[in-house]
Amino acid sequence: EPEVTQTPSHQVTQMGQEVILRCVPISNHLYFYWYRQILGQKVEFLVSFYNNEISEKSEIFDDQFSVERPDGSNFTLKIRSTKLEDSAMYFCASRADTAYEQYFGPGTRLTVT
Amino acid sequence: AQSVTQLDSQVPVFEEAPVELRCNYSSSVSVYLFWYVQYPNQGLQLLLKYLSGSTLVESINGFEAEFNKSQTSFHLRKPSVHISDTAEYFCAVSVSSADKLIFGTGTRLQVFP
Repeated sequence: EPEVTQTPSHQVTQMGQEVILRCVPISNHLYFYWYRQILGQKVEFLVSFYNNEISEKSEIFDDQFSVERPDGSNFTLKIRSTKLEDSAMYFCASRADTAYEQYFGPGTRLTVT
Repeated sequence: AQSVTQLDSQVPVFEEAPVELRCNYSSSVSVYLFWYVQYPNQGLQLLLKYLSGSTLVESINGFEAEFNKSQTSFHLRKPSVHISDTAEYFCAVSVSSADKLIFGTGTRLQVFP
């Protein structure tokens, strides 16, 4: 069964450093998303992406964040200068054109020290 | 704006007992409703969804949820739980005109032998 994959599973970085989280969505899906879950809190929407542009972004998704689909398979989330409060589990999700349900990857745990 | 409330943060239950995980939502427009499950150290998996039609939806592993528009609820039930059902369960909504998922805070179901 096709699935969303994410790398790395765990990333440790120092405050102020740039990180890139990678996702490979399900191959025939056209809509892509990033969510995050700070430890002990709810899953929060960050950004949605369709047709090579951002469809919607939340207040969390400020100028420090960017997304890109550099090729036909990868979907990346970049945090330019990480802060301690960026420590969270980051989930990528994708959706088919004709469906409403989103399929999630296993997540990347980002730890900012 | 939409919101989701899961009143029970933890639900302990013995194996083979019935369980109900509560979910209420708030929205001024039509919504699509979802339950996701997160097993320990794994990502979010879609458990079941309500888009339209029959208000009772079922999953392949014995869970069911009923959409109640008047009570704005989408409670998840299972008549007899197994140890393997131990997980975090998240209720989520999306709005027809936009497709980001809005999650509740999650309910941790712990099944004891």
